[in-house]
Amino acid sequence: EPEVTQTPSHQVTQMGQEVILRCVPISNHLYFYWYRQILGQKVEFLVSFYNNEISEKSEIFDDQFSVERPDGSNFTLKIRSTKLEDSAMYFCASRGQLSVYEQYFGPGTRLTVT
Amino acid sequence: AQSVTQLGSHVSVSEGALVLLRCNYSSSVPPYLFWYVQYPNQGLQLLLKYTTGATLVKGINGFEAEFKKSETSFHLTKPSAHMSDAAEYFCAVSDSAGNNRKLIWGLGTSLAVNP
Repeated sequence: EPEVTQTPSHQVTQMGQEVILRCVPISNHLYFYWYRQILGQKVEFLVSFYNNEISEKSEIFDDQFSVERPDGSNFTLKIRSTKLEDSAMYFCASRGQLSVYEQYFGPGTRLTVT
Repeated sequence: AQSVTQLGSHVSVSEGALVLLRCNYSSSVPPYLFWYVQYPNQGLQLLLKYTTGATLVKGINGFEAEFKKSETSFHLTKPSAHMSDAAEYFCAVSDSAGNNRKLIWGLGTSLAVNP
């Protein structure tokens, strides 16, 4: 069964450093999402991406964040200058044109900023 | 704006007992409603969803949920809890308009199953 994959599973970085979180969505899916879950808090929507552009972003997704689909298979989230409060689990999800309701989630990347 | 409230951050049941996890939503448009489960150190797995049609929906692992528009609720139930059901359960809503379909999440309910 096709699945969404994410790398790395755990990333530790120092405050101020840039990080890139990688996701490989399901191959025929067209809609892509990033969510994050700070420890003990709810899952929060960050950004959605369709047709090579951002379709919606939350207030959390400020200028420090960017997304890219560089090669037609990967979907990346970049944080330019990490802050302590960026420490969270980051989930990638994808949705197909036909599966209009269901988003398929990856296992997540745990980002720890020290 | 849409929102989700999950009553009870922690629920503990005995093995074999009824599981009831509560979810109420707020939405100005007809909602799509979801329950996801997260096992320790794993990602988010869809349990079940309501989009249109039958208001009682069945999901994986014996779970079901009923959409009650008048009560703005979508509570999750399972007649008999199993030890393997211990996990975090999240209720989420997305709107039926447009193509974005971002998910708005509740805080989650941690389910413990006692032997």
